[in-house]
Amino acid sequence: EIVLTQSPGTLSLSPGERATLSCRASQSVSSSYLAWYQQKPGQAPRLLIYGASSRATGIPDRFSGSGSGTDFTLTISRLEPEDFAVYYCQQYGSSPVTFGPGTKVDIK
Amino acid sequence: QVQLVQSGAEVKKPGASVKVSCKASGYTFTSYGISWVRQAPGQGLEWMGWISAYNGNTNYAQKLQGRVTMTTDTSTSTAYMELRSLRSDDTAVYYCARGGSYSAGSMFDPWGQGTLVTVSS
Repeated sequence: EIVLTQSPGTLSLSPGERATLSCRASQSVSSSYLAWYQQKPGQAPRLLIYGASSRATGIPDRFSGSGSGTDFTLTISRLEPEDFAVYYCQQYGSSPVTFGPGTKVDIK
Repeated sequence: QVQLVQSGAEVKKPGASVKVSCKASGYTFTSYGISWVRQAPGQGLEWMGWISAYNGNTNYAQKLQGRVTMTTDTSTSTAYMELRSLRSDDTAVYYCARGGSYSAGSMFDPWGQGTLVTVSS
């Protein structure tokens, strides 16, 4: 199975700053089938990005995804107060579907 | 709007079974599949398996093979996940999520609100 590694584990930033989150796969992710989710405490995950770079419906354009092969990035251009959360990457190009361990973005 | 609504919290004893439901609305149920994902307290996301609402095909995570069964009732647009021989490490929030119709390989959108299953003697 494809193992996903996310870095850093925790990112401490201030509102208005730029956040750059990394997701690295143990082998190439087929057809860039890589998604990003946001999860806030007590809530279900929410789809942000799919196909490595396509924003899901209703997701603000401050969220962007990039990458291919084994290296992917989620960028939040300017952090809003509601963006402080845990972010997970997921690959769905190979069975089984796998998730990364998450990156927590907290307030500095 | 597209929505998945799950059944309520459960408390079970070790060795028992639990069956969680997930009722879909706002879309054509048989045009998609449903994946189940669980999250142990303070931990990350673990994919458990997928069922096609179109034809009932399933794909289960290897570690749960033999203990999990996923089904659908197309007449009520509801998916079910049954987990048997429960252990304490099955304590988690269980989520259903809409996925692909023909394959487990899909992004998940949307997700149900989650169902807490607690396994304790």
